[in-house]
Amino acid sequence: LAKTTQPISMDSYEGQEVNITCSHNNIATNDYITWYQQFPSQGPRFIIQGYKTKVTNEVASLFIPADRKSSTLSLPRVSLSDTAVYYCLVVDRGSTLGRLYFGRGTQLTVWP
Amino acid sequence: DADVTQTPRNRITKTGKRIMLECSQTKGHDRMYWYRQDPGLGLRLIYYSFDVKDINKGEISDGYSVSRQAQAKFSLSLESAIPNQTALYFCATSDVAGGRQETQYFGPGTRLLVL
Repeated sequence: LAKTTQPISMDSYEGQEVNITCSHNNIATNDYITWYQQFPSQGPRFIIQGYKTKVTNEVASLFIPADRKSSTLSLPRVSLSDTAVYYCLVVDRGSTLGRLYFGRGTQLTVWP
Repeated sequence: DADVTQTPRNRITKTGKRIMLECSQTKGHDRMYWYRQDPGLGLRLIYYSFDVKDINKGEISDGYSVSRQAQAKFSLSLESAIPNQTALYFCATSDVAGGRQETQYFGPGTRLLVL
């Protein structure tokens, strides 16, 4: 089971780019790096997933170096509505178990 | 309409009472999960089910039981509620495609207070 480490909190201002880094030193071959977002009083919501290099979608980009021991979630030009907790997980997509292990996440606060 | 719904959204109960939290999904997924969230602790898995006849304990199943009544319904019961079961409870669903575990979709949560 790969454990992840990410900052407990981050602050930013509207319009800035935010990068949240996650460490997963024990990542396994079948593991994918996955990020979820959670707003207050809501369930977590999938943002992005990647295996290596770079993945981009309409919400964020995910950068994964060649050794895959860390990853960076990049949120371009954040707004107040991006204030949320962001969870980094490593997911064994080849496993029949399908369990997700959520840590404490990173509380991102965006200020006007 | 929401794909994963939970009822009730909020519940206050007393120590020793039996309560049931219900989850329904319209995504057609086989896999369903119950998580618990406490402040500062992230989410922890209580029980999960991969189909109607399959029930598995998660990391914190003591004091809880579940029932998978149908593919679309997965209920969590607290047989005798205690104050440290006060938490936010989430139901989630997922599917497997091509042998690969897919994204989990979460419900809106049930906030439970045990007095």
